[in-house]
Amino acid sequence: GESVGLHLPTLSVQEGDNSIINCAYSNSASDYFIWYKQESGKGPQFIIDIRSNMDKRQGQRVTVLLNKTVKHLSLQIAATQPGDSAVYFCAETLGGADGLTFGKGTHLIIQP
Amino acid sequence: GAGVSQSPSNKVTEKGKDVELRCDPISGHTALYWYRQSLGQGLEFLIYFQGNSAPDKSGLPSDRFSAERTGGSVSTLTIQRTQQEDSAVYLCASSWDGYTEAFFGQGTRLTVV
Repeated sequence: GESVGLHLPTLSVQEGDNSIINCAYSNSASDYFIWYKQESGKGPQFIIDIRSNMDKRQGQRVTVLLNKTVKHLSLQIAATQPGDSAVYFCAETLGGADGLTFGKGTHLIIQP
Repeated sequence: GAGVSQSPSNKVTEKGKDVELRCDPISGHTALYWYRQSLGQGLEFLIYFQGNSAPDKSGLPSDRFSAERTGGSVSTLTIQRTQQEDSAVYLCASSWDGYTEAFFGQGTRLTVV
């Protein structure tokens, strides 16, 4: 899978507000989904994952929602903090030989 | 080491030269990915190795790009006759089996002058 080299969409939220980042994934057969966070100058880091047999999974301040009907994945971040400013990528996979396919990414900016 | 290691962290090369980028995955990980990321942009898939299977090379942008993975561990990405448009951060990632989270290295920033 591949990601198109387009400039990233930007989401700006006030510090303390909740944010929702959306991702439309490409393959209805994908079975495993991951959200990554990439801070400036660093490689992407794992945030949270979800299998296709689930609709929702919660972590610390983050929740991932999966809607297989419309091939939609979202990441909710509660009570955003300045450290949440980063680029967020979703990724999907069928597993095994197919590897991870990344979405285009969203740049989240937390306003003070 | 505990994580994915990439070297060099930065590379400046002259146009037309060949470069070799190295990735040391996490020990025991069978899946290894290479991605390219231009400034402010998303992740462009290059190539994927899974165990002993033939790699998925569908993302390599031209025949100047090649990659190897020796002994199912270390991987090298080679770019021949570099061009200015090759300037980017090259990221490597590995995972246990291609079906679990992939861990990324810090990347190699390549600048072609």
